[in-house]
This record gives sequence, structure tokens and C-alpha cells, in this order.
Amino acid sequence: DTAVSQTPKYLVTQMGNDKSIKCEQNLGHDTMYWYKQDSKKFLKIMFSYNNKELIINETVPNRFSPKSPDKAHLNLHINSLELGDSAVYFCASSQSDSPLHFGNGTRLTVT
Amino acid sequence: EDQVTQSPEALRLQEGESSSLNCSYTVSGLRGLFWYRQDPGKGPEFLFTLYSAGEEKEKERLKATLTKKESFLHITAPKPEDSATYLCAVFWQAGTALIFGKGTTLSVSS
Repeated sequence: DTAVSQTPKYLVTQMGNDKSIKCEQNLGHDTMYWYKQDSKKFLKIMFSYNNKELIINETVPNRFSPKSPDKAHLNLHINSLELGDSAVYFCASSQSDSPLHFGNGTRLTVT
Repeated sequence: EDQVTQSPEALRLQEGESSSLNCSYTVSGLRGLFWYRQDPGKGPEFLFTLYSAGEEKEKERLKATLTKKESFLHITAPKPEDSATYLCAVFWQAGTALIFGKGTTLSVSS
């Protein structure tokens, strides 16, 4: 059973389009995250939700909007995509100070 | 200033050639230091958590240690399947997320 699953795995789109990435975890964790990994493999936190409440919102363009319909799901919607948004986006979940469990990422390519 | 710095950026070893990866951190009030392994096209996979200076954890050929300013990931007699990017991350304050270093890419050749 996949613990943290993301869809789609690959996303290729043109500049200006709007796209969404979905994430689900079946671990019963209270906290979910979105991380962005750039071409140099650097992982940077974007957002964090705890029990559907936004608790971390790093300096991210407001074109990025997370939504958590329940504590098992955290989606990421991106408006007006730009070339610089191309990256791998990882969803993760955790419980308190326990280790984060990551999904396998969504590779977004904006052309 | 980077809060988590990993070195070297890349490391090439021969099979059986032991070495260490370094992770230094500048955050105060560390609540936990985590090591992850990442294979190409995959998400980071948890390896170890260290909570206090002097703590050590082992798993197969890997051993992680922690001091007040840095952590080491020692790899003993590595095999080609140990090739991956190793990421270090710190958790320093409630209500925050893990802060990652930029990783060390390890290549082990037979």
C-alpha cells in the first residue's frame, strides 16, 4: 500500500495554464506538506497544513494555492504557470515531530 | 546564510572504500536531525533520526552520529546499491517544517 501518493507523476504544460497536483496519505498523519525540489535537488518547504489548517506559508507566489479538504488530502493548484515553476513537487506527511514520509513527486515542466 | 550545509556535494567511492558525509547546522534548539536517502525519480526515504549530541544510529552499512554542531553519516564498505543522494534535514521549532541541506550525491563503483 502506498503511504503518500501524488498524481500526476509527470505534468507538461504551457506557460499561462492552470494546473493542479493531488496528494493523499493513508498513514493517519495530522500534518501534510508541499516541498519544491529544484534542478539542483534542493528541497524547499512551500506549505504545511495541520488538520486542514494552514500553518506554514513560505514566500511563495500567490499563484500557488494549497487546499486541504480533509487531513488525508492536500492539493496544490497553480495559476498562470511560468517557466520558473518547472521543478519536482513533493508531498509529505508526518505526525508531530516524527519523520516526514514523502510521495514520489510530480515533475512539472512548463514550456 | 544556509542553516544546513552538507559536504561534499558529490562523492565517488570504489566498492568497499569507507567514507563519511558531513551535515553541519546553525539552528539553535535542535529538536531533531534527519537523514534521508533519495534515488533518482523517487521521493526521499527516511533513514535515521538523531535527537541529542552523542547519539548514534546504525542500519546495515550506514551509521549516523550527532554533535552539537554537525552530524556525520558514515558508510562502511559501500556497495554500488548505496549510490544515491543523501539528504540531511533539521527540525528546530514547533510549527515549522524540516529544513533540508542540498544533499551529497554518492556514487559507488564496483
